[in-house]
Amino acid sequence: GQQVMQIPQYQHVQEGEDFTTYCNSSTTLSNIQWYKQRPGGHPVFLIQLVKSGEVKKQKRLTFQFGEAKKNSSLHITATQTTDVGTYFCAGKNNAGNMLTFGGGTRLMVKP
Amino acid sequence: DGGITQSPKYLFRKEGQNVTLSCEQNLNHDAMYWYRQDPGQGLRLIYYSQIVNDFQKGDIAEGYSVSREKKESFPLTVTSAQKNPTAFYLCASSIPAQPQHFGDGTRLSIL
Repeated sequence: GQQVMQIPQYQHVQEGEDFTTYCNSSTTLSNIQWYKQRPGGHPVFLIQLVKSGEVKKQKRLTFQFGEAKKNSSLHITATQTTDVGTYFCAGKNNAGNMLTFGGGTRLMVKP
Repeated sequence: DGGITQSPKYLFRKEGQNVTLSCEQNLNHDAMYWYRQDPGQGLRLIYYSQIVNDFQKGDIAEGYSVSREKKESFPLTVTSAQKNPTAFYLCASSIPAQPQHFGDGTRLSIL
């Protein structure tokens, strides 16, 4: 079945440093979604990428979808303590409406 | 205010007992999902339903059962056959193929 791998599993950064998490799928995706889960909370939708090579920005967050639609990345510029949480990618393939979630990257920011 | 309500927030299960987790949504979404999240892990799909009176097994359905008698409701029963039920359970809903909205989750523990 479809597998979605995410690296790194954990990342500690100093406030103000950049952060990137990478997501790789074993199959071609029709779209990829990114979610953020604060400690003790539930996942909250951030963005959806659909087109090959697509790049979207939300303030300090930049999301990319690979040309082959099998990988994606989330880059945060100049991290802040409010960025703390676990970032999940979730891929949808062409076969159905189900999402397959990556294992998440837990971001910790030292003030 | 539209959203997804999960109850209870915390639940304790005794050996050999079945317990039911509630999930209600007033977003008028057709699709509903149940995920299990273990500490430091990603989300794994237990069951999903794309329409009333229909549901499908996800990746880890063994030891769980669901029903979808109403559009708004998708309760999950954790049966005694689930030998390791301690986890964080998340319910989500969506318009098919659109981003998922999550409830606040239920933390289930063994007594």
